[in-house]
Amino acid sequence: RKEVEQDPGPFNVPEGATVAFNCTYSNSASQSFFWYRQDCRKEPKLLMSVYSSGNEDGRFTAQLNRASQYISLLIRDSKLSDSATYLCVVNGAGNTGKLIFGQGTTLQVKP
Amino acid sequence: DVKVTQSSRYLVKRTGEKVFLECVQDMDHENMFWYRQDPGLGLRLIYFSYDVKMKEKGDIPEGYSVSREKKERFSLILESASTNQTSMYLCASIIGGVGTDTQYFGPGTRLTVL
Repeated sequence: RKEVEQDPGPFNVPEGATVAFNCTYSNSASQSFFWYRQDCRKEPKLLMSVYSSGNEDGRFTAQLNRASQYISLLIRDSKLSDSATYLCVVNGAGNTGKLIFGQGTTLQVKP
Repeated sequence: DVKVTQSSRYLVKRTGEKVFLECVQDMDHENMFWYRQDPGLGLRLIYFSYDVKMKEKGDIPEGYSVSREKKERFSLILESASTNQTSMYLCASIIGGVGTDTQYFGPGTRLTVL
């Protein structure tokens, strides 16, 4: 079983749609959780951290469910520019900054 | 603004060649990482370093070595390149310590081994 699992998609949605991605992780001791965004042929960049209480940044909402060991990302009012691959990321053990990446979920927003 | 740079965006090498991939960060970060990214497999950690001259194996270290002689520079070495090492290589850095989160990535090197 992979340490971080995501549905690779692709998710094809029309502009203005709401879309949600889920991700599960296997290590119950994980402490930090993130969503990264990766555009085609570019490096990953942090989209948002995920906190236990849930957090929102504009059209993006991230949730963490520790009991079920899953993380979600909700995108409202999708824009064409949201088309990208979204990587679910979990911090590994210790404080070395070692991150474990899911394989990513591809989102394609169509006009 | 954190900057992580990699020596090449695209590289083509022949089987058996020794290949050096260089990564430099300008924010005095302690921890640096080398990943490779392949379709369907995501990012996989090759090696990381949490201090000068220190290194730790990641999940797929076979066929690779690293060097960290200065804090800002972390090199990935393919001792004898093979075709299965054709991939996108990404370097990242993070300041280190409890409570840190964001890893900053370089733009990547797309290596093709013929």
